[in-house]
Amino acid sequence: GQNIDQPTEMTATEGAIVQINCTYQTSGFNGLFWYQQHAGEAPTFLSYNVLDGLEEKGRFSSFLSRSKGYSYLLLKELQMKDSASYLCAVRDSNYQLIWGAGTKLIIKP
Amino acid sequence: GAVVSQHPSRVICKSGTSVKIECRSLDFQATTMFWYRQFPKQSLMLMATSNEGSKATYEQGVEKDKFLINHASLTLSTLTVTSAHPEDSSFYICSAKEAGRDTGELFFGEGSRLTVL
Repeated sequence: GQNIDQPTEMTATEGAIVQINCTYQTSGFNGLFWYQQHAGEAPTFLSYNVLDGLEEKGRFSSFLSRSKGYSYLLLKELQMKDSASYLCAVRDSNYQLIWGAGTKLIIKP
Repeated sequence: GAVVSQHPSRVICKSGTSVKIECRSLDFQATTMFWYRQFPKQSLMLMATSNEGSKATYEQGVEKDKFLINHASLTLSTLTVTSAHPEDSSFYICSAKEAGRDTGELFFGEGSRLTVL
C-alpha cells in the first residue's frame, strides 16, 4: 500500500529552526510537495521537489532523497505565524497525490 | 497568481436537504479540479477528480449519488451534497490544476464548512 509518515506534532521556539520530516512509500514517484495549512483554512503551496537535493525559498527549504524515500521541510527564523499544520504529499506513478496526515507545528514565544 | 474561489465558505442546513458548493478558477482555466473532505485534525481525503466535460472519477468509498459533481466549464466545478445528514458535516475543499501547466502545484479554494443539523 501507499504510505506517507510525518510526525503528528512538533513544538519549537520563536526565532529558532525546525525540521519536519516526511518518509514515503508509494507506487512510483513524480514529485513531493509541502503545503502549509492554518486551522480552518485551505492549504497553501510551499514547495515542490522532484530531483534530489535542497530547494531554498526564503525562510523555508525542502530537501528530497528519492533513494531513501525521504524529505524534510526546514523552517528558519520561526515566527508565531508559522504555527500551522504542514502537509507532505507525494505524486505517484498515476499522478495521484497521496497526502500525509500533517504535522502540527506549535511555536512558543 | 492563480486564484480559486469557493462558495459558500460556511453553510448550515437541515438534515435531508441538499447543499451545493461552487469552485471557480478566477484567472485560469482548470481542466481538472479535485474535491477533498477534511475532518478535524485529519489530513485531506480526496473524494473525486472532476474533469471538464466528462463524468467525475470518485474514490473508493465515496458515494457518487450522494456527492454529485458537475464540471460544466473550464472555470467552474460544483459539488452537491444530496440529502445531507449530520455525519456529512465536514470541511470541503476544492483544488484546481491549471490547464497546460504541469508544475504539479494545486491551487486551493478557501474551503466550505458544512454543518448539518
